[in-house]
Amino acid sequence: GAVVSQHPSRVICKSGTSVKIECRSLDFQATTMFWYRQFPKQSLMLMATSNEGSKATYEQGVEKDKFLINHASLTLSTLTVTSAHPEDSSFYICSATATTGGLYEQYFGPGTRLTVT
Amino acid sequence: ILNVEQSPQSLHVQEGDSTNFTCSFPSSNFYALHWYRWETAKSPEALFVMTLNGDEKKKGRISATLNTKEGYSYLYIKGSQPEDSATYLCAPENNNAGNMLTFGGGTRLMVKP
Repeated sequence: GAVVSQHPSRVICKSGTSVKIECRSLDFQATTMFWYRQFPKQSLMLMATSNEGSKATYEQGVEKDKFLINHASLTLSTLTVTSAHPEDSSFYICSATATTGGLYEQYFGPGTRLTVT
Repeated sequence: ILNVEQSPQSLHVQEGDSTNFTCSFPSSNFYALHWYRWETAKSPEALFVMTLNGDEKKKGRISATLNTKEGYSYLYIKGSQPEDSATYLCAPENNNAGNMLTFGGGTRLMVKP
C-alpha cells in the first residue's frame, strides 16, 4: 500500500528559529501533496496544496511567507516554519495523493509535533 | 471551503454495542465522500471512498451509507470493540476541489470494555 513518511516526528525549537518538516511518499509518486495543521481538540485544517514543480496554493489566513512549502520532486515536499513563535506550536501532518481503483485517495504521514518554546 | 458537520462530537459506548454517527455536507458539486479513522499518534487511515448516491460500503464490522442528494453519510459500527476507539473523520470532495478534502470536526468514539 501507499506509504507516506514525515520527518521529524517531534521537534522542539526556540522562538525565532526556523524548522523544516519533510514529507515523503515512499512507494509512489505524488504529484500533489497537502499540508494540514491540527489545533488541540480540533480537526485537520488544510494549510496549503503543494504541486510538484510549481508554487504552493495557500488557504485563506495562512501566511505563505511564514510557512514555506517546496515540492521539488514527485516524492518530497517540505514545510518550513520560519521565525517560529509559540503560537505555531501544533501538530502538522501531510498527505500525498495516489490513484486507487480510479479514485484519488489521500495517504497521510504520521505527523510532526512542533513545540516552540 | 465546504461546511462539513459531524455529529455527535463524542460518543461513549459499551463493548458490544452498535453505534452510528453522521456526516453532513453540501450536496452541490458533489464528487466523493471519504471516511477516515484516526487513532491518537497514528496516521489517519482511509476507511471508505464513496461516490454514488445510495452507495453502501462495508469493511468488517464497519459500514457506511451515502445520500448525495440530501448531503449526508452515516457510519455504522456493529458490536463495538475497545480497539474501535478512535476519531472518525469524514471529508467530502467536490468537483471544483482538485482532490482537496475538507474535514469535518470528527466524532470521537470511546468503547468501554
